Amino acid sequence: EAGVTQFPSHSVIEKGQTVTLRCDPISGHDNLYWYRRVMGKEIKFLLHFVKESKQDESGMPNNRFLAERTGGTYSTLKVQPAELEDSGVYFCASSPFESGENTGELFFGEGSRLTVL
Amino acid sequence: AQSVTQPDIHITVSEGASLELRCNYSYGATPYLFWYVQSPGQGLQLLLKYFSGDTLVQGIKGFEAEFKRSQSSFNLRKPSVHWSDAAEYFCAVGPTFTGGGNKLTFGTGTQLKVEL
Repeated sequence: EAGVTQFPSHSVIEKGQTVTLRCDPISGHDNLYWYRRVMGKEIKFLLHFVKESKQDESGMPNNRFLAERTGGTYSTLKVQPAELEDSGVYFCASSPFESGENTGELFFGEGSRLTVL
Repeated sequence: AQSVTQPDIHITVSEGASLELRCNYSYGATPYLFWYVQSPGQGLQLLLKYFSGDTLVQGIKGFEAEFKRSQSSFNLRKPSVHWSDAAEYFCAVGPTFTGGGNKLTFGTGTQLKVEL
């Protein structure tokens, strides 16, 4: 079974440019999450999809970030225009949907490293 | 607001030595607790989790962790470290009831170096 895949693994762009990160979750996982790690800091939650719906986007830094999950399969995270402080590693994770009690495990991708110059 | 503290940013141990990575948390209620590991070039992998019951939990790769409610701690241990354990380790907390999802709060991570 394929794991969570993310593309690109590394992107270097100039300030003001646009970047789109893609995440393919494990097949059948309705939950999809985006997290970000800025260098030396903790991994922070950005948002959570259940299928194609945004369940929680409380962690999105500002309106330069746009996440989509059309059709409830893969997701994209677009940063437009990128700023220096957007540099970091963007992780995607998925999990199956379980109504009620938390079953715990998130399955993470390798991350997409974004460098804004 | 919930938070997780991993006070050790870097730790170096000799192969075969014992290991303890510290984790303290702040949460409104008793959370679910996790340890994840990220090896170079890989995604985060779940090592172990604590939900309830026995406060000493066993995980993969010979790791264990002990939940101490009175200290709000969930320290990770391994009796004998192998060179392949060199990686970054993350402690995380999550809600007990999620209505279907699991939003985690992570610590800043501890980078483990193993000397041969």
